[in-house]
Amino acid sequence: DIQMTQSPSSLSASVGDRVTITCRASQSISSYLNWYQQKPGKAPKLLIYAASSLQSGVPSRFSGSGSGTDFTLTISSLQPEDFATYYCQQSYNTPRTFGPGTKVDIK
Amino acid sequence: QVQLQESDPGLVKPSGTLSLTCAVSGGSISGSNWWSWVRQPPGKGLEWIGEMYHSGSSNYNPSLKSRVTISVDKSKNQFSLKVSSMTAADTAVYYCAMRNGDYAWFDPWGQGTLVTVSS
Repeated sequence: DIQMTQSPSSLSASVGDRVTITCRASQSISSYLNWYQQKPGKAPKLLIYAASSLQSGVPSRFSGSGSGTDFTLTISSLQPEDFATYYCQQSYNTPRTFGPGTKVDIK
Repeated sequence: QVQLQESDPGLVKPSGTLSLTCAVSGGSISGSNWWSWVRQPPGKGLEWIGEMYHSGSSNYNPSLKSRVTISVDKSKNQFSLKVSSMTAADTAVYYCAMRNGDYAWFDPWGQGTLVTVSS
């Protein structure tokens, strides 16, 4: 199985801050990397697919980059509705695996 | 716009079998997408269970494969999950999701249903 790690596991930030979350795969996965946002009691919501493609309807302050084993999700200016947990997911092969999540909360 | 809705089995007894269905609306289950299940134990991360195409092709997580069956019912435009020999470790919110494209992203998701294993 491809193992996914994320750093940090949690972070505290203020509205307007630039936030960067890193995801690393245990082997090269090319650009087969997707990002999700999950709020308490809700299903995950797709933000970014294929490492850097913004899902329709997702604000442009979200962006993704990377290829191979190292990937980044960036929120350019954190908004109140962005406080949530973020997960990466590799789709290079099965079993499809998720990172452990990064919780973003209010400083 | 495709929408997914899971059934609500609630409580399952230890050693019992979980049966869940996911109703697909706004699109055909016989289209070009795969149909997936993902679960999330309380307070923990996401675990992919498996996926199926309407033709019957399937992929399962090896960690669960011996206990899991996913099926597609084209006549009802829904797909199903069965997990046998349930234990407390299987207590989780179970989500159905549509897998898209070559990069296999999950969107949309159902709202999720909490399954508790308890006697």
